Amino acid sequence: GAVVSQHPSWVICKSGTSVKIECRSLDFQATTMFWYRQFPKQSLMLMATSNEGSKATYEQGVEKDKFLINHASLTLSTLTVTSAHPEDSSFYICSAKSGQGASEQYFGPGTRLTVT
Amino acid sequence: GENVEQHPSTLSVQEGDSAVIKCTYSDSASNYFPWYKQELGKGPQLIIDIRSNVGEKKDQRIAVTLNKTAKHFSLHITETQPEDSAVYFCAAILYSSASKIIFGSGTRLSIRP
Repeated sequence: GAVVSQHPSWVICKSGTSVKIECRSLDFQATTMFWYRQFPKQSLMLMATSNEGSKATYEQGVEKDKFLINHASLTLSTLTVTSAHPEDSSFYICSAKSGQGASEQYFGPGTRLTVT
Repeated sequence: GENVEQHPSTLSVQEGDSAVIKCTYSDSASNYFPWYKQELGKGPQLIIDIRSNVGEKKDQRIAVTLNKTAKHFSLHITETQPEDSAVYFCAAILYSSASKIIFGSGTRLSIRP
């Protein structure tokens, strides 16, 4: 099946710094990638949708200047958490799909971000 | 927008028994309903899905049913095993080019030995 990877798997950063998370589709071209945030014992909340070569669409309440998303190629999307604060500590998960319409999305293994 | 409700939030069953998780959705335009299993510290893994033109789908010990009229869909796991212990999420896909997944709140399934 299709494989999506994330790097790093976990990261600890100091408050005020920025951290970049990569999401890669390893064996297929992802026309659309999604970024989710998951707090402990909660469901996944969609942060933004990105299509290759265009600006990301952010969900209501998600600050686009704080969570920078770049979908530079059909196999790579990056999420940069700028000026991180402890409340940004969470599990960040990406997913990727190819084609249009309602179809299977493939999820990455997630990145655990801890801001101290 | 779409809203997906999931019950129960926790479920404990004896090994070998069946487990049932139920979900309802609000947007009749949703046409794809995946179920995900998430183990601790990992991303969700698709275990089964169903489209709106199908009423039931089965894959070995796992089955999903869909009632479009009532906007209900359910996950059934038979002959449960310890490795079935995880958090399960139902979801609905909005029928649009964006295809956003709307997740249920999750069910923590524990299998008692």
